[in-house]
Amino acid sequence: GAVVSQHPSRVICKSGTSVKIECRSLDFQATTMFWYRQFPKQSLMLMATSNEGSKATYEQGVEKDKFLINHASLTLSTLTVTSAHPEDSSFYICSANHPTLGGSGANVLTFGAGSRLTVL
Amino acid sequence: LAKTTQPISMDSYEGQEVNITCSHNNIATNDYITWYQQFPSQGPRFIIQGYKTKVTNEVASLFIPADRKSSTLSLPRVSLSDTAVYYCLVGDVSARQLTFGSGTQLTVLP
Repeated sequence: GAVVSQHPSRVICKSGTSVKIECRSLDFQATTMFWYRQFPKQSLMLMATSNEGSKATYEQGVEKDKFLINHASLTLSTLTVTSAHPEDSSFYICSANHPTLGGSGANVLTFGAGSRLTVL
Repeated sequence: LAKTTQPISMDSYEGQEVNITCSHNNIATNDYITWYQQFPSQGPRFIIQGYKTKVTNEVASLFIPADRKSSTLSLPRVSLSDTAVYYCLVGDVSARQLTFGSGTQLTVLP
């Protein structure tokens, strides 16, 4: 089945440093990937849509200069949290469209395992 | 974008059938309904998808009435390992711009 690999699963960093999270589609090509953020006991919030070969589309309220997204190939998107601060601590999850997994004819989002970011 | 409404939480006992209903009153003609399961500190996992009537796979059934303004995820004979948050999402065939609602925390008790 479709697999999306996300790395690292956990990262701890000091305030002011930058952290890069990778999202790879292992057995299919993904022209579009999505990045979410999830705080404890809350739902997933879409941060941005990553488009291969073009600029990402950010949701309202998400700082594009702080959350840099690069989608350089059909199998890799990266999210870089720049100058991270404690309030950026969260669970970050990526997903990619898989064209056939749904069985009913619509695409299905395949999610990575998530990356837990803790900023000290 | 179709908004979804689900119960915040549900409790059940092992071996019982669980039905979780999701309301999506403004679903569009070209929207599909997809359910995901999420365990703590993991990404959501696809459960089932449908457009109308009934869909069944090896883990669940999905019931969609004719007006498609709601859908019901049915989990047969739940076990403790089914304790998770269940999300229903509504979106078109491209699965772009899907919005997660609050989800339903299902707790299966022994």
